[in-house]
Amino acid sequence: QVHLVESGGGVVPPGRSLRLSCAASGFTFSSFGMHWVRQAPGKGLEWVAVILYDGNNQYYADSVKGRFTVSRDDSRNTLYLQMNSLRAEDTAVYYCAKDPLWFADRPEYPQHWGQGTLVSVSS
Amino acid sequence: QPVLTQPPSTSASLGASVTLTCTLSSGYDDYKVDWYQQRPGKGPRFVMRVGPGGIVGSKGDGIPDRFSVLGSGLNRYLTIKNIQDEDESDYHCGADYGSGSNFVYVFGAGTKVTVL
Repeated sequence: QVHLVESGGGVVPPGRSLRLSCAASGFTFSSFGMHWVRQAPGKGLEWVAVILYDGNNQYYADSVKGRFTVSRDDSRNTLYLQMNSLRAEDTAVYYCAKDPLWFADRPEYPQHWGQGTLVSVSS
Repeated sequence: QPVLTQPPSTSASLGASVTLTCTLSSGYDDYKVDWYQQRPGKGPRFVMRVGPGGIVGSKGDGIPDRFSVLGSGLNRYLTIKNIQDEDESDYHCGADYGSGSNFVYVFGAGTKVTVL
């Protein structure tokens, strides 16, 4: 049973940094790509980033490119999202999600999702 | 990259059927679309993937047989038959787009389904 638990959200002033974590269990974490997706209050879903199973390739949405970095620690079964230069428009619930294909050299889609962690960027 | 268009809301009486539409932008009629269900206050749940020929792969974990999909032209449909109270949710469609060494995943704005 895939289980994903996000943490690290909170209130942060504009321009500051925050790091989110996603603890994974129930599957072989090191074999799968992992996504971050966010949802602003009352809005739809926005894909943020993905990292492949080997950590060597990451892809980002234009809205976060150059400010956010996705990484993984397979020894801890944990996915991270380092968010720098935060803006008010980054306020959202952030979800991590597992990709369906193992050892894939290209992502597919966010298949299994966590419950999310809320990030609020406000002075 | 494709743009996915969804109507903002729809409703159906308990036990009736409802069909949700996700429309791809012009030129993307061969694309697959993923459907997600999001119950109030919860994280999204993958429902199934649909291409021009219908379902692609398997349904998501625990998705009832009442849920089915169809693809036609630029439209990707999700039909819920015998709709139940627990089906009242937001439904999102998404699609991946890769050009060369790039990857992007895009979502529609979502459709809110109300069960009357």
